Amino acid sequence: DAGITQSPRHKVTETGTPVTLRCHQTENHRYMYWYRQDPGHGLRLIHYSYGVKDTDKGEVSDGYSVSRSKTEDFLLTLESATSSQTSVYFCAIRPLGDLPGGEQYFGPGTRLTVT
Amino acid sequence: AQTVTQSQPEMSVQEAETVTLSCTYDTSESDYYLFWYKQPPSRQMILVIRQEAYKQQNATENRFSVNFQKAAKSFSLKISDSQLGDAAMYFCALYAGGTSYGKLTFGQGTILTVHP
Repeated sequence: DAGITQSPRHKVTETGTPVTLRCHQTENHRYMYWYRQDPGHGLRLIHYSYGVKDTDKGEVSDGYSVSRSKTEDFLLTLESATSSQTSVYFCAIRPLGDLPGGEQYFGPGTRLTVT
Repeated sequence: AQTVTQSQPEMSVQEAETVTLSCTYDTSESDYYLFWYKQPPSRQMILVIRQEAYKQQNATENRFSVNFQKAAKSFSLKISDSQLGDAAMYFCALYAGGTSYGKLTFGQGTILTVHP
């Protein structure tokens, strides 16, 4: 158990509404990541963070923003949800920090449906 | 840019038999790591095994082992004595060093079915 929780676990929302997903970790790891999982694409990186208020874009960042005001929380926001953002969202942490290596440990995922 | 390709969308195996899942990758980095993750129906992503590119010896974890062919950029996962609990989606993933901030690049996944 990597001490990662995600909330909510399931959400159904309407097109055009804002949505915020929360990732919480209990072990003060510096690096945190948001991925989305879609059939045929595996997991794709949306945004990542390498410290409080230090964030950057991944490969599929359009339509998403993130914030990290404290070490333990990493928020993913869909400013105006679209049906193409229906997906399963995973948060991950990287315990090794700046050391080489790099396995990540994942939260339980959030299934988001945009109708 | 890094790429990871899993060319087998689905595989099946009989219980107690051996199955091999394929993965190829591409990176220009010399320092990188490769991983296999398992995703059972519960959706939880579980790290199965890791391989450091600088190590020639193939990694093993109990019934799971890899065949790491660096020159061919191939990284296959062998599951021996398959069990019903091995049924899952399996993802190959690449971490390329440098300034990647630990980002992982994933393959598309292979669904493994285990028949009793």
